[in-house]
Amino acid sequence: AQSVTQLGSHVSVSEGALVLLRCNYSSSVPPYLFWYVQYPNQGLQLLLKYTSAATLVKGINGFEAEFKKSETSFHLTKPSAHMSDAAEYFCAVSGDNQGGKLIFGQGTELSVKP
Amino acid sequence: DVKVTQSSRYLVKRTGEKVFLECVQDMDHENMFWYRQDPGLGLRLIYFSYDVKMKEKGDIPEGYSVSREKKERFSLILESASTNQTSMYLCASSPYNTETQYFGPGTRLLVL
Repeated sequence: AQSVTQLGSHVSVSEGALVLLRCNYSSSVPPYLFWYVQYPNQGLQLLLKYTSAATLVKGINGFEAEFKKSETSFHLTKPSAHMSDAAEYFCAVSGDNQGGKLIFGQGTELSVKP
Repeated sequence: DVKVTQSSRYLVKRTGEKVFLECVQDMDHENMFWYRQDPGLGLRLIYFSYDVKMKEKGDIPEGYSVSREKKERFSLILESASTNQTSMYLCASSPYNTETQYFGPGTRLLVL
């Protein structure tokens, strides 16, 4: 069975600092991996996705993630945090004949301090 | 742009009421999904549908049912609302055989 673990339910960084949100997955087949962002009182918006092309995936708003098969990880990074990045971030995995279903992690709330 | 709309942003209901949450997508997507979101638990799949009149149970279907009479509309029904169904409900859609899901803004339901 597939699963996703996000390490840290809350992450706090200073404005301009590196953002690193961690995601580890388990999957018996090559996965599709996703990062979604949820701003307060809104639905989820796709940040980026990995679909077995390049291992370094660039997304919107300056975010990127690197697929590391040996570590079963798909961590999300951004070189310099902005106040507007404060939101909740979800990692998700698909594949394994799930027919379009996604398995989501528990979410990480990112706070950005001035 | 894909647009997924949900009938209400906020809803307050009483225990035992029958509750309907409506979701409509405008991109002719085959797949539609209902999730509930609770703090610390992420998103959990309630029901999903691959086609009109088709439905499949997700991970937490108990206490819920769904209806998909038209391709663009997927309804979530709480037959008899209970306080433990107080939650944020999110609808999503995706094209056939594609994993990328597009989400609506969510309905925050409070059951008193």
